Amino acid sequence: ETGVTQSPTHLIKTRGQQVTLRCSSQSGHNTVSWYQQALGQGPQFIFQYYREEENGRGNFPPRFSGLQFPNYSSELNVNALELDDSALYLCASSPGGSLGEKLFFGSGTQLSVL
Amino acid sequence: KQEVTQIPAALSVPEGENLVLNCSFTDSAIYNLQWFRQDPGKGLTSLLLIQSSQREQTSGRLNASLDKSSGRSTLYIAASQPGDSATYLCADAGGTSYGKLTFGQGTILTVHP
Repeated sequence: ETGVTQSPTHLIKTRGQQVTLRCSSQSGHNTVSWYQQALGQGPQFIFQYYREEENGRGNFPPRFSGLQFPNYSSELNVNALELDDSALYLCASSPGGSLGEKLFFGSGTQLSVL
Repeated sequence: KQEVTQIPAALSVPEGENLVLNCSFTDSAIYNLQWFRQDPGKGLTSLLLIQSSQREQTSGRLNASLDKSSGRSTLYIAASQPGDSATYLCADAGGTSYGKLTFGQGTILTVHP
């Protein structure tokens, strides 16, 4: 157990809709990172939040956005869903403040866009 | 831009064999190299993390090595078991984003009885 929980575990949406995925980090972990993993691929870094501010972003369009809250919960929001957004979405938390520190991953949310 | 490559893409072995999974990365300026296990449709389980100043880490039947100068890491699994069947991913932590890992595409391991 990593102490990181994600909800829901599975989600089905249609193209053009909006979706919110949730993550609960370990207590005391100030950094949360989000990853997208397409079928048969390694996870791709979406963005990272540190103390409620975005602190690094991968090659994803602005319709991918996030929020981090003081109670160690966070959200990934995706607007105008496209078929290619179908993937496993993973969040990971870490204490924050140290480059290369260990990340603790949740079990993921499987998103299907029809 | 960092690129991480894993070879082979898939591996099928009989139970009891020792095996090696390979990971290569293009930028040697990494903070650490981490190996994960992933079961189908599930999240990532961290197996071993090697800091950039270290050469290897061991946990049970697993041993991971790191050679920064050549841009390579290997995961050695001794006496493989059917329960080891999973996808194995390597990832490096580099750059300026604290939470950014660059992953390889994984090696799908099947250990048959």
